[in-house]
Amino acid sequence: ELKVEQNPLFLSMQEGKNYTIYCNYSTTSDRLYWYRQDPGKSLESLFVLLSNGAVKQEGRLMASLDTKARLSTLHITAAVHDLSATYFCAVYSNDYKLSFGAGTTVTVRA
Amino acid sequence: NAGVMQNPRHLVRRRGQEARLRCSPMKGHSHVYWYRQLPEEGLKFMVYLQKENIIDESGMPKERFSAEFPKEGPSILRIQQVVRGDSAAYFCASSQDPWGTQYFGPGTRLLVL
Repeated sequence: ELKVEQNPLFLSMQEGKNYTIYCNYSTTSDRLYWYRQDPGKSLESLFVLLSNGAVKQEGRLMASLDTKARLSTLHITAAVHDLSATYFCAVYSNDYKLSFGAGTTVTVRA
Repeated sequence: NAGVMQNPRHLVRRRGQEARLRCSPMKGHSHVYWYRQLPEEGLKFMVYLQKENIIDESGMPKERFSAEFPKEGPSILRIQQVVRGDSAAYFCASSQDPWGTQYFGPGTRLLVL
C-alpha cells in the first residue's frame, strides 16, 4: 500500500520569510499533485508534477519532484497572509488510487 | 463551465437513518472518485467509478456503504444505518481520464447525531 508522509504537519510562518514542506512517498510513482484546502472548503489543485526533476512555479509557490528519492517539496517564498491554508500532496499508485498525505496546516503571522 | 457539484452541502442524520450523497462530475468527465475526510486528517480513498461501473471499491467499508454512477444522473454514495463514526466530510472528484488531474467538489459534511 502506498504511504504518503508530509512534514511538518503544522507550520507557523512569519510574513516575508521562506519555508519548505516535504512530501515523501513509499512506492514508485511519477505523478504527484499538490492541493490547497481552506477551512471548510474543497481542495484546489495547485500543481501536477509528472516526471523526475519536474519543477512548477506559481506566484510564491514552487513545487519540485525527485522520483528517485520519492520526495516532493513545496517551497514558499516570502510568505503572505493569504497563503494560510492546509496543503496536501497526493500520489497516484498503479491502481488508479490517489493517496493523500495528512496535510500541512500553514498559518502566516505578521 | 461548472465544476464538480455535490449536494447536499450539509446533512444531519440520526443514528440508523440513511444518508444519500450526490455528485455531478465536471462536463466531459466520466471518472468519479469518492473520498472521506475526518477532522484534521487527509482524504481517504473510498471508491472509483466510471459510468455504470465500479472500478475499485477497496476503500469503502463492506457493510452499509454503496456507490453507483448510473448512465443518466449523478453519482450516489449511499450510507445505510448511519453511525456516529460516519460523521465526516465526503468529497467527490472527477477526472477526464484515469490518472488525470482530479477536480474536487465542495464536499458534503455529514453529521450523525
